[in-house]
Amino acid sequence: GAGVSQSPRYKVTKRGQDVALRCDPISGHVSLYWYRQALGQGPEFLTYFNYEAQQDKSGLPNDRFSAERPEGSISTLTIQRTEQRDSAMYRCASSLRTGGYNSPLHFGNGTRLTVT
Amino acid sequence: LAKTTQPISMDSYEGQEVNITCSHNNIATNDYITWYQQFPSQGPRFIIQGYKTKVTNEVASLFIPADRKSSTLSLPRVSLSDTAVYYCLVANSGGYQKVTFGTGTKLQVIP
Repeated sequence: GAGVSQSPRYKVTKRGQDVALRCDPISGHVSLYWYRQALGQGPEFLTYFNYEAQQDKSGLPNDRFSAERPEGSISTLTIQRTEQRDSAMYRCASSLRTGGYNSPLHFGNGTRLTVT
Repeated sequence: LAKTTQPISMDSYEGQEVNITCSHNNIATNDYITWYQQFPSQGPRFIIQGYKTKVTNEVASLFIPADRKSSTLSLPRVSLSDTAVYYCLVANSGGYQKVTFGTGTKLQVIP
């Protein structure tokens, strides 16, 4: 497909389990972003990659959260020892270039994570 | 990053023009303004972007006054399908972009 693909669409996990969320960006897009969105709120920045380099991880809430993009394409957001407060919609976005003018973000449909 | 302020919500009747204003008093010289639209259960979608004056595309118009401390997204003749949350973002035009969203404006179009 031509858009950003995220999997799984829905993930239900028990507290304490690890989860891995996958993002497949638009082919050729250099930049990749992860966001978390709570109901009724705007997307909250988590981390950002240019190619395979993680440029900014200042939005990751704590050290249970990590992300990688080893070959500069597909990215994985991993949450270890999940807690109920981690329940949210996790969204991935990609853009053609680093530097945003004339290079808007393209979002996937997200992964809804529920921690029970 | 320049902070943005926009109304939390707006209502409009179908067929009317809707103007959503965003305030960004601390906008820097190299910053530009981008608007995104988000429908329920979907990710945000790019609508329009501009640096100064007026930009128009098939979806909306963006008006930016000379001082650039605010911008107005104009949606002509809205329909029910325009009910969504609209986000105003300000970001630098060069290099790395930490793109940050606020809470947006929830537009409800009424029949």
